[in-house]
Amino acid sequence: GEDVEQSLFLSVREGDSSVINCTYTDSSSTYLYWYKQEPGAGLQLLTYIFSNMDMKQDQRLTVLLNKKDKHLSLRIADTQTGDSAIYFCAESIQSGGYNKLIFGAGTRLAVHP
Amino acid sequence: ETGVTQTPRHLVMGMTNKKSLKCEQHLGHNAMYWYKQSAKKPLELMFVYNFKEQTENNSVPSRFSPECPNSSHLFLHLHTLQPEDSALYLCASSPTSGGAHEQFFGPGTRLTVL
Repeated sequence: GEDVEQSLFLSVREGDSSVINCTYTDSSSTYLYWYKQEPGAGLQLLTYIFSNMDMKQDQRLTVLLNKKDKHLSLRIADTQTGDSAIYFCAESIQSGGYNKLIFGAGTRLAVHP
Repeated sequence: ETGVTQTPRHLVMGMTNKKSLKCEQHLGHNAMYWYKQSAKKPLELMFVYNFKEQTENNSVPSRFSPECPNSSHLFLHLHTLQPEDSALYLCASSPTSGGAHEQFFGPGTRLTVL
């Protein structure tokens, strides 16, 4: 079946690195995504990784993909208070000409001084 | 701003009311989606429209009725809802060719059913 799992909560100190983990089940997923949701807002696409890559870096964000273990992680370097939000992992499944996204329940990141 | 707008942002309705949610995208995308976001649950995909044709109805009750008059607009018509339908309703759009087909989300409509 299709399932994406994430831990629900992560607390870090400002300036430290945050690592948010995700596991997924569909080995045929072509892309995996990280979205960010701030209070009262919709989901904002942060980054994505193609399934034949094992790492992607974009400024403070580093995505690691272990396809064998179906494990995805998002590392945020030098975490700031503005990074406090809910982070969603999603896998894509080809369905009827479009990419169907299966989301995890989200990890709430709290950044404290 | 993601290029996807939703109105209204907040809606309170009684169980006997009829209301509609509107979504609009100016990104030239061909696919549009409705999602339901409830507290502490993963996003639930409700409907998908691809080139104005409904391609997915994820076992959604008939009290939710989608409409896609063109590739830029998507509506969700609501009638005789239940209190458990209270949630954040998110609209998204995506391209259907080339690349990651990433979905862009609107800010959502916070719906409360009394």
